[in-house]
Amino acid sequence: QVQLVQSAAEVKKPGASVKVSCQTSGYAFTNYYIHWVRQAPGQGLEWMGIVNPDGGSTNYAQRFSGRVTITRDTSTGTVYMELSSLSSEDTAVYFCARDRHLGAGSFDYWGQGTLVTVSS
Amino acid sequence: DVLMTQSPSSLSASVGERVTITCRASHVIANYLAWYQQKPGKSPELLITAASTLQSGVPSRFSGSGSGTQFTLTITGLQPGDAATYYCQKYNSAPYTFGPGTKLEI
Repeated sequence: QVQLVQSAAEVKKPGASVKVSCQTSGYAFTNYYIHWVRQAPGQGLEWMGIVNPDGGSTNYAQRFSGRVTITRDTSTGTVYMELSSLSSEDTAVYFCARDRHLGAGSFDYWGQGTLVTVSS
Repeated sequence: DVLMTQSPSSLSASVGERVTITCRASHVIANYLAWYQQKPGKSPELLITAASTLQSGVPSRFSGSGSGTQFTLTITGLQPGDAATYYCQKYNSAPYTFGPGTKLEI
């Protein structure tokens, strides 16, 4: 069965970086794009970026451009999201999600979420 | 960028009732519209794709309609387990914007 399993919660200081992983299984890794979405406490869902595992091309939301980097490791079927220059406003749950159709599909499978807390 | 809005922002209904949530896109998105259900502390779950196609395993009490810029999610025969926040999303291209959500209380 399709599974997206994310790394454990993180606590970071302002100005630091965080790298969250998303280990996939149960399907052909390079056939499905992966998105990252975040949700601040009590807030809605915010799309951050997408990676094509077949080749590694990416597209980022403008508000994160320059601070976010999404990479993938085809040997392990894992996608990574690194966010730099953290501030308290980056405290959120970060989700990875699979795109049903090559960057033009809805998100059919989601990871369990990773809480990132930014605090001094 | 396309802006997504939802109404109402919250609503309360009783078991067995029918509710409708509306989602509007600021530009035409054809039928590239999805609906998700999110319960507290959980990941979102895909309910409907292509505006009206029910995802496998989703009860037929859920239905979606619309095209272009206006879409609706209808839930009939409300169950206690339907209490959640519902989000619409456009997914034809980046940015894959979500609506602000509608919190449904039963």
